[in-house]
Amino acid sequence: EVQLVESGGALVHPGGSLRLSCAASGFTFSIYSINWVRQAPGKGLEWISYISSTSRFIYFADSVKGRFTISRDNARNSVYLQMNSLRDEDTAIYYCARVETSGWSSGYWGQGTLVTVSS
Amino acid sequence: QSVLTQPPSVSAAPGQTVTISCSGSSSSIGSNYVSWYQHLPGSAPKLLIYDHNKRPSGIPDRFSGSTSGTSATLGITGLQTGDEADYYCGAWDSSVSGYVFGTGTKVTVL
Repeated sequence: EVQLVESGGALVHPGGSLRLSCAASGFTFSIYSINWVRQAPGKGLEWISYISSTSRFIYFADSVKGRFTISRDNARNSVYLQMNSLRDEDTAIYYCARVETSGWSSGYWGQGTLVTVSS
Repeated sequence: QSVLTQPPSVSAAPGQTVTISCSGSSSSIGSNYVSWYQHLPGSAPKLLIYDHNKRPSGIPDRFSGSTSGTSATLGITGLQTGDEADYYCGAWDSSVSGYVFGTGTKVTVL
């Protein structure tokens, strides 16, 4: 069974940092790209980052570019989202999702982890 | 970041049909595959349609997708109370090298 489990969400002060993890199981992790998507309270889904299977291709949304970095460890079946210089507007549920081999769609999603940025 | 435009809400009675539109651009829907997602509060989003009109295993054929030019449409036939959720379209946008989601549409079953 394909599973993605996010962890690392917490309450953090503005300007602080946080590292989210996404642990995958039930599939050959090393051949799939991963997306991070977030949903702020009362808002819609927002894509924030993509990492290809070999980490060769990495993309970010403008809203987090220069503040967030993404990495993966295929030996540990995990993807990491390092979030720095956090702002109030980064408060959201953060989901990781497996990118399917065709068309950039996100076929399997984790349950999400909550990040709250507040003083 | 560009977004895809959807109507805020649609509604219909059980058993009826609803359609949700998704308007994009030449660099998003006009050039790349469209996906559709269902999101129920408190749950993970679920992929309903990928590559414009394909359904993943387990998704009933009551859900259908189509794309023409820079717009896409999700259709739901035989509406059920369990279909009440938020629905999002999504596509890669080549002009910004990023994935874009639609603004979201809330489906209400009357």
